[in-house]
Amino acid sequence: QVQLQESGPGLVKPSETLSLTCTVSGASISSYFWNWIRQPPGKGLEWIGYFFDTGSTNYNPSLKSRVTMSADTSKNQFSLKLSSVTAADTAVYYCARDKRGSGFGDGMDVWGQGTTVTVSS
Amino acid sequence: SYELTQPPSVSVSPGQTASITCSGDKLGNKYVCWYQKKPGQSPVLVIYQDTQRPSGIPERFSGSNSGNTATLAISGTQAMDEADYFCQAWDSSTAVFGGGTKLTVL
Repeated sequence: QVQLQESGPGLVKPSETLSLTCTVSGASISSYFWNWIRQPPGKGLEWIGYFFDTGSTNYNPSLKSRVTMSADTSKNQFSLKLSSVTAADTAVYYCARDKRGSGFGDGMDVWGQGTTVTVSS
Repeated sequence: SYELTQPPSVSVSPGQTASITCSGDKLGNKYVCWYQKKPGQSPVLVIYQDTQRPSGIPERFSGSNSGNTATLAISGTQAMDEADYFCQAWDSSTAVFGGGTKLTVL
């Protein structure tokens, strides 16, 4: 059974960098597409980007200038860094798996429980 | 950038069929997925590849996609189906979510 678990600080100061990690169990991160998605309070889901096993990444154009994703295969973890955060980045952040990524329509079939990040001084 | 449009809310009586639409330019040429999101819980994939149900999703959930509109239908709607529903598609290797529809079971 594949499980994902997000971790990281729940409070980040404005202008600083938000850093989150997603630990994967039951599957290797050297396969599949690993996504970050967020949901601001009272709003809808927003895709942040994905990391693919070869080190390939793709980001939401609206966030691209501030986002970096990477992975640590030895720990079976992948991470998100979002720089220069503002209050608008306050959200529940989820990591999720997509088996084959764009074009195949498999869907994000496994999600972490989500972690709340608040941007405030 | 590509956009998916959903109605903000849909209401249905228990036992009736709820239909939630998702519209986008030439959406029928893309695969659409649907997610159920309840407060305080993670999203759950209920439909993938327009019409397919993941293991464990009840048969009352079905999907279709043609032209510019995809539709999620829930037949015999139950109180437990009350949730937010989001459609999602890929455009140029970018995932796009619809704004979400709040389904109320009256």
